[in-house]
Amino acid sequence: EIVLTQSPGTLSVSPGERATLSCRASQSVSSRKLAWYQQKPGQAPRLLIYGASSRASGIPDRFSGSGSGTDFTLTISRLEPEDFAVYYCQQYGSFPITFGQGTRLEIK
Amino acid sequence: QLQLQESGPRLVKPSETLSLTCTVSGGSISSSNFYCGWIRQPPGKGLEWVGSIYYSGSTYYNPSLKSRVTVSVDTSNNQFSLKLTSVTAADTAVYYCAKITAAGTVEYWGQGTLVIVSS
Repeated sequence: EIVLTQSPGTLSVSPGERATLSCRASQSVSSRKLAWYQQKPGQAPRLLIYGASSRASGIPDRFSGSGSGTDFTLTISRLEPEDFAVYYCQQYGSFPITFGQGTRLEIK
Repeated sequence: QLQLQESGPRLVKPSETLSLTCTVSGGSISSSNFYCGWIRQPPGKGLEWVGSIYYSGSTYYNPSLKSRVTVSVDTSNNQFSLKLTSVTAADTAVYYCAKITAAGTVEYWGQGTLVIVSS
């Protein structure tokens, strides 16, 4: 099983600034099959990024993903108030499909 | 717009079976590109893939739950279901039904339903 470790656990950033979230896999993620989701309180998660760097439909271009192998990053270039939420990475390159434990992005 | 809605008992006793149904509207689960599944989230915790089923009928279950979980499809009612046997308090979670892409990402989510395991 691929274990995904997200860091930091909580990230405090001011609106308008950049946020960088990390997801590290315990072994290489096949074919960059790494996705990112955003979850707000009381809501289901929403797919942001798939294939490590492709934005899902309707996702603003301030969200970008990068990385390969075992190290992946989600960058939010200019934080808007609605971006403060919990973010999860997911690997879907091998069974079992697994998620990271999440990074909480909070307003500084 | 595709919509998914979970339904089922919100309270289940320990050792009993958790049963949930997901009703799909705005699309047909009989179509060849419809993969569906269940993901759960214990209160205040992260996400866990429970199981999924593909239009071919093949299923995939999380090995940590494999002996207890069954996902099935009812194409006549455009629904799919989850059964989890021998539940314990550790199975208390929000259960989401989902439409999954062929690759394995979650494209659409239900709103989620909290199931509590307690006597």
